[in-house]
Amino acid sequence: AQSVTQLGSHVSVSEGALVLLRCNYSSSVPPYLFWYVQYPNQGLQLLLKYTSAATLVKGINGFEAEFKKSETSFHLTKPSAHMSDAAEYFCAVSDPGGSYIPTFGRGTSLIVHP
Amino acid sequence: KAGVTQTPRYLIKTRGQQVTLSCSPISGHRSVSWYQQTPGQGLQFLFEYFSETQRNKGNFPGRFSGRQFSNSRSEMNVSTLELGDSALYLCASSLESGDYGYTFGSGTRLTVV
Repeated sequence: AQSVTQLGSHVSVSEGALVLLRCNYSSSVPPYLFWYVQYPNQGLQLLLKYTSAATLVKGINGFEAEFKKSETSFHLTKPSAHMSDAAEYFCAVSDPGGSYIPTFGRGTSLIVHP
Repeated sequence: KAGVTQTPRYLIKTRGQQVTLSCSPISGHRSVSWYQQTPGQGLQFLFEYFSETQRNKGNFPGRFSGRQFSNSRSEMNVSTLELGDSALYLCASSLESGDYGYTFGSGTRLTVV
């Protein structure tokens, strides 16, 4: 079984500040990990994915995430927040040797203040 | 190339009615998955179809069903609607499976009154 915990349902930052969204996973096998972003009234968009290659993964819109097996974490970061980054962010985990169906976290709402 | 298209975008139905939602995946994608999104439960997996066969199923009652056609388009049906079925229903497509990430549609917002 696999699960994802996203710490903090809301994260508030100032424009230009570092963005850090936390994700911890539980998986009995080496997982695949994903970050998605959802803007209001839209579906989810894939930001980046870890599929057992490089542990530091770069995604779209300046986001990156680092897979840390020892900490079972896959935190999402961006050096400088923009107003347009305000959205809901979802971390997801899947078992590549199993059904591949990802399990999503409950989401973190990123609020960016001017 | 065209993205994942879901129709309709919004629906209002009455308790006890049934509803059919449609999803056209990205051309060439053979796997279509459906999710229910609500504020209380988050994103919950309904089912996945691949080559016209249901390959995986989530923990939803039998009132929720789906199918996939030979052109990979998919429909999901909810019968005997309940108030708790009000949600955003998202369709996601991928080439073979979701292991390299999904492309999601914009969803169908279903309101049951």
